[in-house]
Amino acid sequence: AIWMTQSPSLLSASTGDRVTISCRMSEGISNYLAWYQQKPGKAPELLIYAASTLQSGVPSRFSGSGSGTDFTLTISRLQSEDFATYYCQQYYSFPRTFGQGTKVEIK
Amino acid sequence: QVQVVESGGGVVQPGRSLRLSCAASGFTFRSHGMHWVRQAPGKGLEWVAVISNDGSKNYYADSVKGRFTISRDNSKNTLYVQMNSLRVEDTAVYYCAKDRSGLGIDAFDIWGQGTMVTVSS
Repeated sequence: AIWMTQSPSLLSASTGDRVTISCRMSEGISNYLAWYQQKPGKAPELLIYAASTLQSGVPSRFSGSGSGTDFTLTISRLQSEDFATYYCQQYYSFPRTFGQGTKVEIK
Repeated sequence: QVQVVESGGGVVQPGRSLRLSCAASGFTFRSHGMHWVRQAPGKGLEWVAVISNDGSKNYYADSVKGRFTISRDNSKNTLYVQMNSLRVEDTAVYYCAKDRSGLGIDAFDIWGQGTMVTVSS
């Protein structure tokens, strides 16, 4: 299985901040990476796929980058509705694996 | 409206069985791979299983292999997972998720609201 190290696990930030979340793979996955947002008590929602392609309807303040083993999710200007937990996920091979999650909380 | 809706969760004793269902609507169900993903209370996401659009291919997480069986009925636009020999550690919210591709090799673009399964004596 491909293992993923997502960091940080907790991120304290203020509205308007630029935030970055990292995801490192145990082996190369080309660009077969997705990012999801999950709010408390809700299902995850797809933000980005193919490492950098924004899902339809997702605000442009979200962006993704990376290839191979190192990937990044960036929120350019944090909004109140962005406080949530974020997960990376590889779909290069089975079993599919998710990162441990990054909780973005209000500073 | 594109959506998937899970049902069938509940409280079950260890060693017993349960079958979850996921009803799809608003998209061509037979054209997409489908997944089950679970989340234990207070924990992260764990992928469980996938089935291809025509049901010919499936893969499982090691933690459920040999105990869970994923299936689908394209005539009813419904996904299933049969869960046998349930363990306390199977306690989780179970989500059904639509794959962007037919073979189940892409990201998950539509998720259901989840159904809670509690395994307890």
